[in-house]
Amino acid sequence: SQQGEEDPQALSIQEGENATMNCSYKTSINNLQWYRQNSGRGLVHLILIRSNEREKHSGRLRVTLDTSKKSSSLLITASRAADTASYFCATGLNRDDKIIFGKGTRLHILP
Amino acid sequence: KAGVTQTPRYLIKTRGQQVTLSCSPISGHRSVSWYQQTPGQGLQFLFEYFSETQRNKGNFPGRFSGRQFSNSRSEMNVSTLELGDSALYLCASRDPRDGGEKLFFGSGTQLSVL
Repeated sequence: SQQGEEDPQALSIQEGENATMNCSYKTSINNLQWYRQNSGRGLVHLILIRSNEREKHSGRLRVTLDTSKKSSSLLITASRAADTASYFCATGLNRDDKIIFGKGTRLHILP
Repeated sequence: KAGVTQTPRYLIKTRGQQVTLSCSPISGHRSVSWYQQTPGQGLQFLFEYFSETQRNKGNFPGRFSGRQFSNSRSEMNVSTLELGDSALYLCASRDPRDGGEKLFFGSGTQLSVL
């Protein structure tokens, strides 16, 4: 299975600090995506990085991908209370393949 | 453009009953995927439909089935409900015209089996 696994399972940091979450997966992938979920609602797409990319930025988000280690990291800089949510990585073998999610990291931003 | 719509939002059933959940994708999206989310197992992939055909399938028993209509709306059915089927069921659509990689999720149907 190419299911990703996030690490840590839970993370609490002070507002303004940076948050880093990691994702490891098992098989070759076409791309890796990160999603956010607020309190039992639907997931929202954050960023996609392709297998031939090493780093990507979007606002306060920075994603890295190391295909040799089959791992990715999501960095949220200058965290805010609104960043409190669960974060999931997701992978697919190719464009038409099913997209499989990890179990997520629960991020809590302390005021 | 309207987002992905799931109905109903909440559902309470008893063991042995069956249930049907509905999902309307974003206009123009021909792919609909279904996921089951529980606290212990995270998001588990159920199946994906594309142009009325099941394109991908997860590892769920045959009690879980789905279909897609010509307008891309999809339904998921669970027969002979078990307590362990209590979960948040999420559907998501994607648009092959923009690469088809990004999923757009609905708010989910919270199913409780008593």
